[in-house]
Amino acid sequence: EPEVTQTPSHQVTQMGQEVILRCVPISNHLYFYWYRQILGQKVEFLVSFYNNEISEKSEIFDDQFSVERPDGSNFTLKIRSTKLEDSAMYFCASDFLGYTFGSGTRLTVV
Amino acid sequence: TQLLEQSPQFLSIQEGENLTVYCNSSSVFSSLQWYRQEPGEGPVLLVTVVTGGEVKKLKRLTFQFGDARKDSSLHITAAQPGDTGLYLCAGEVREGGSEKLVFGKGMKLTVNP
Repeated sequence: EPEVTQTPSHQVTQMGQEVILRCVPISNHLYFYWYRQILGQKVEFLVSFYNNEISEKSEIFDDQFSVERPDGSNFTLKIRSTKLEDSAMYFCASDFLGYTFGSGTRLTVV
Repeated sequence: TQLLEQSPQFLSIQEGENLTVYCNSSSVFSSLQWYRQEPGEGPVLLVTVVTGGEVKKLKRLTFQFGDARKDSSLHITAAQPGDTGLYLCAGEVREGGSEKLVFGKGMKLTVNP
């Protein structure tokens, strides 16, 4: 069964550093998303991406965040200057008649 | 802001018992999706219900979407230890050509042998 692949599975970074989380969505899917889940809390929408541009972003997705689909297969989330409160599981998802989520990247900011 | 409330949040039952999880909102959703999430993993889609009043069955799991498309329930018959996990409901919101999911907090189910 097709999968959404996320790398790395774990990332520890110093506060203020930039991180890039990577995702390979399912190849024939058209809509791509990033969600995050802070430990013990709800899964929250960050951003949706369609036709090589952001279609919607949440209040969480401020100027420190950006997304890119640089080569037609990878879909990346960049956090420019990480804060302690960015520590969370970050899930990539793609959608074509149903959502498929990746296994997530656990980001720990120290 | 759309909110989804799930109840109960925790449930511990014996193998063979039945249970129902509820997912309620004051908002109308385009669809309602149920996911199961294992620790350290992403949510895995179980079912999508789209039409008000719709009922879908997946083996021992029965999903229902409310007539007004604001609420949903998941009923598990004769629960087994393999059903242990976190069950999430998520409402699909479509606005201005984009769509997103609004998740509930989940129901952590433990089925004891």
